[in-house]
Amino acid sequence: DAKTTQPPSMDCAEGRAANLPCNHSTISGNEYVYWYRQIHSQGPQYIIHGLKNNETNEMASLIITEDRKSSTLILPHATLRDTAVYYCIVRVVGYSSASKIIFGSGTRLSIRP
Amino acid sequence: EAGVAQSPRYKIIEKRQSVAFWCNPISGHATLYWYQQILGQGPKLLIQFQNNGVVDDSQLPKDRFSAERLKGVDSTLKIQPAKLEDSAVYLCASRQLVGGEQYFGPGTRLTVT
Repeated sequence: DAKTTQPPSMDCAEGRAANLPCNHSTISGNEYVYWYRQIHSQGPQYIIHGLKNNETNEMASLIITEDRKSSTLILPHATLRDTAVYYCIVRVVGYSSASKIIFGSGTRLSIRP
Repeated sequence: EAGVAQSPRYKIIEKRQSVAFWCNPISGHATLYWYQQILGQGPKLLIQFQNNGVVDDSQLPKDRFSAERLKGVDSTLKIQPAKLEDSAVYLCASRQLVGGEQYFGPGTRLTVT
């Protein structure tokens, strides 16, 4: 079973920041928080990941609470192309089966013009 | 860099027939995954290869599903015989042996009638 809880759907106005929450209250000390998204009819796409510090890349920012029990993915200026299902995942990093990704149902983000 | 390639993109078969899917991972990626994604759900891992060895096939229905990666590069996933509930998108993903993110292919949409 997935170790994360996400709202099933959200919407956001184009040009505004989209803030997607994720709860992972049972996260272990060696587990990272990963975000992927899946645009319709495509395979999932990696967005960002972090352990305990906030992270930012060209796609998004990841804010992880100090107790690591929740996080927020921020898309700073949402566009229509950001409409997708967003998956929050916790996993260990490595090459054994323990590092596998377990997807939940994700959050369906709709960007309105 | 070329992405993960999959073929065919779409396949329609009748129940009890057999079907095979092909995946060519990103060059140099030692780890390869097959996922099943039923409509409205997140992808579910079926099998994980490391080079040509199986790391995890605990979720693979071995009575009808089989997969191989003979030379540690390309992989095939076979279903024989197919059931109606096998209708889904079959995703292939790959990543480097240590670290790195999973890169997903576009998937094969299977419809069993």
